[in-house]
Amino acid sequence: QVQLQQWGAGLLKPSETLSLTCAVYGGSFSGYYWTWIRQPPGKGLEWIGDINHSGITNYNPSLKSRVTISVDTSKNQFSLRLTSVTAADRAVYYCARPLTTVTRLPAYWGQGTLVTVSS
Amino acid sequence: QSVLTQPPSASGTPGQRVTISCSGSSSNIGSNYVYWYQQVPGTAPKLLIYRNNERPSGVPDRFSGSKSGTSASLAISGLRSEDEAGYYCAVWDDSLSGPGFGGGTKLTVL
Repeated sequence: QVQLQQWGAGLLKPSETLSLTCAVYGGSFSGYYWTWIRQPPGKGLEWIGDINHSGITNYNPSLKSRVTISVDTSKNQFSLRLTSVTAADRAVYYCARPLTTVTRLPAYWGQGTLVTVSS
Repeated sequence: QSVLTQPPSASGTPGQRVTISCSGSSSNIGSNYVYWYQQVPGTAPKLLIYRNNERPSGVPDRFSGSKSGTSASLAISGLRSEDEAGYYCAVWDDSLSGPGFGGGTKLTVL
């Protein structure tokens, strides 16, 4: 049974860096693209980017200049960094994994982390 | 601005059949598989439909998906009170080179 557990700071000041980590339990770590998605309160879902076990990354062009996704295969973990946050980055952030290795749409989700940006 | 277009709300009474639409373009729905998610407030989305019309293990057959051209639909038959939730469509978008989502449809069971 695949489980994703995520953690990180939930309250940031403007211009600080958001940092979240997601640990994967169950199933294989290799072969999949590991994804970060966010959801502003009361709004829809937005893909942030993903990474495979080899470290190949893909980012949403709208966030690319501020996003870094990394992977630690020794711990079956992957992480998200988003620099220079503003109030517009307030959202619930989810880590996710696809159903199979041949797709990149999410099937398994972490519990979500609400990140608030306030001075 | 969402990649896919969904109606913001839908409603039905218990036992009814409701459908939720999802509109896209040739660079997403027109050329890739559609996924559907159910999200109860305060929880993570749950995969309902993948590859247009396939259900993961454990999802009741009351939920079904279809796709035609650049549009897709989710149908829920035998509506139940526990179906009251948000529903999102998603698809790989060739222009984005990533998954695109609809804005979500809030389903109310009257």
